[in-house]
Amino acid sequence: DGGITQSPKYLFRKEGQNVTLSCEQNLNHDAMYWYRQDPGQGLRLIYYSQIVNDFQKGDIAEGYSVSREKKESFPLTVTSAQKNPTAFYLCASSMRPTALTYEQYFGPGTRLTVT
Amino acid sequence: AQKITQTQPGMFVQEKEAVTLDCTYDTSDQSYGLFWYKQPSSGEMIFLIYQGSYDEQNATEGRYSLNFQKARKSANLVISASQLGDSAMYFCAMRDPRGSNYKLTFGKGTLLTVNP
Repeated sequence: DGGITQSPKYLFRKEGQNVTLSCEQNLNHDAMYWYRQDPGQGLRLIYYSQIVNDFQKGDIAEGYSVSREKKESFPLTVTSAQKNPTAFYLCASSMRPTALTYEQYFGPGTRLTVT
Repeated sequence: AQKITQTQPGMFVQEKEAVTLDCTYDTSDQSYGLFWYKQPSSGEMIFLIYQGSYDEQNATEGRYSLNFQKARKSANLVISASQLGDSAMYFCAMRDPRGSNYKLTFGKGTLLTVNP
């Protein structure tokens, strides 16, 4: 089945540690995105990539880093510089990044808790 | 600045009745796309319906329809014949070609509860 996988579903880390969230898609989509969701809030864009080996900062990129070495993979690292890392993280992909009509497909999300 | 407003934090509806979830948007672009997503308690985001700014007809997908009023900049989601499984968060989102980013911007969502 085609889709987006994120692992793990739940992740616990101690403050001060970097942590990497996995996102893999087999939809052959060019664009991939990372969003953060806090309770009672909508999604906010962290980073996005329209093509392999290229990515851009979203609205809340501080304290995060990404890589896009393969078309199907877009891992997100939450660094110790991120002041409030506890949140629900959603990865998404879309077929054509510069088209208005294509919806984004989402993964199941990773709930990160940092104590 | 692009903005999506969903003024209803929560809505209740009786099973089998119709419900309208409000969404207004703000953009200076003439070309844009509007999306509705459903987020059940499990967390995944499920695409429901799309409306393009130049589409003359309101979009429909099964029990979902989008009441698009361009002059008022509103894109309300109508769910007909509500089912218990419709209980979820619903997000309105907009995509526009601002710069070359084509980013998707989300509203804060509406929590819909369907009562038996």
